[in-house]
Amino acid sequence: QKEVEQDPGPLSVPEGAIVSLNCTYSNSAFQYFMWYRQYSRKGPELLMYTYSSGNKEDGRFTAQVDKSSKYISLFIRDSQPSDSATYLCAMSGGGSYIPTFGRGTSLIVHP
Amino acid sequence: SAVISQKPSRDICQRGTSLTIQCQVDSQVTMMFWYRQQPGQSLTLIATANQGSEATYESGFVIDKFPISRPNLTFSTLTVSNMSPEDSSIYLCSVEGNRGHYEQYFGPGTRLTVT
Repeated sequence: QKEVEQDPGPLSVPEGAIVSLNCTYSNSAFQYFMWYRQYSRKGPELLMYTYSSGNKEDGRFTAQVDKSSKYISLFIRDSQPSDSATYLCAMSGGGSYIPTFGRGTSLIVHP
Repeated sequence: SAVISQKPSRDICQRGTSLTIQCQVDSQVTMMFWYRQQPGQSLTLIATANQGSEATYESGFVIDKFPISRPNLTFSTLTVSNMSPEDSSIYLCSVEGNRGHYEQYFGPGTRLTVT
């Protein structure tokens, strides 16, 4: 079992839809949870990060962490074609500062 | 935020040859990281490079295959040696942001194809 599991998709939604992206993990020592967005032929860029459990909101983006279920989510409201990208979850903790990344989910928002 | 550039952006190489990838950062940083991103796979850390010391390699990666240089606080190189088609991948360098290790800035990547 991989430490971080993420469905690669692709996930195709119409413009304006609410998107839910998810990751599960097995290492209970993870404390920092991040979401990166990667456009085609670009490097990943940090979207949001959360420490421990709870929710965090930033504009149209909401990150949720449920440590009891070892499950994290990223919600995108009012999705736009410009949101089309690969979204990678990442997490770290337990004495290691090096993040462990998921495989990434490819999101396509069509007009 | 840090601005990172990489050279080359892409290359096609023959098996058995070597390629050196350059990473330039617009500010001084202590640690630089080299990642590999294979199709359909997660980002995998190859090594951490500190200025003035030997790079620290992750399990499965060795210095003979991926030698790294870190001559100053804004520059690093990764060499992929004696390449095989299995080395075809995107290679990315990154640095930590001011908020700590969970914030990383990545370069645009070098897309390598080995034939």
